[in-house]
Amino acid sequence: ETGVTQSPTHLIKTRGQQVTLRCSSQSGHNTVSWYQQALGQGPQFIFQYYREEENGRGNFPPRFSGLQFPNYSSELNVNALELDDSALYLCASSGGGAALYNEQFFGPGTRLTVL
Amino acid sequence: GNSVTQMEGPVTLSEEAFLTINCTYTATGYPSLFWYVQYPGEGLQLLLKATKADDKGSNKGFEATYRKETTSFHLEKGSVQVSDSAVYFCALSDRVGAQKLVFGQGTRLTINP
Repeated sequence: ETGVTQSPTHLIKTRGQQVTLRCSSQSGHNTVSWYQQALGQGPQFIFQYYREEENGRGNFPPRFSGLQFPNYSSELNVNALELDDSALYLCASSGGGAALYNEQFFGPGTRLTVL
Repeated sequence: GNSVTQMEGPVTLSEEAFLTINCTYTATGYPSLFWYVQYPGEGLQLLLKATKADDKGSNKGFEATYRKETTSFHLEKGSVQVSDSAVYFCALSDRVGAQKLVFGQGTRLTINP
């Protein structure tokens, strides 16, 4: 069983640029959540996709957007990058079923540096 | 809104010492509670969870009890090992909707031999 994978591992961009981060969910999972983890902080929820539809969003501006594809992989897009966007971006996949709680399995993350 | 407050780190202990990392939460309703661990260079791994009051989650010698009356979920281990060195995150999840995780700020634990 393949776990959650993310690409790229590291990325360096300059302020004002746009970036796309990718996530492949674990086999059998239909839900993907994205989190931003600033240095020394806990992860913060950006948004979640369930069966290709956005299913909840945290307190992030509209320049953070996402997609989920029919194979349940996902992209996170960030436009007009700011210095404060420098962080580790984590993707988590889960079963999305009707269970009391669907455990979220995390990928290793993409480290984004904005200069 | 929901929030989680963790004991500030870093925490440094000797091998075989007793570990407690405090965690308290604020939430409406009855959230599920979790401890995640992040080893250097790796993603988050679920360590243990509890889904209702008085439940005790346990894994790899770690334990935490869901205390609704004190809104706490403290992590404990009786005898830590060098391999336990990592960053530990307390988190909660609403039981409805997106089931998003709300994390504390993390506690860095270092165990010296």
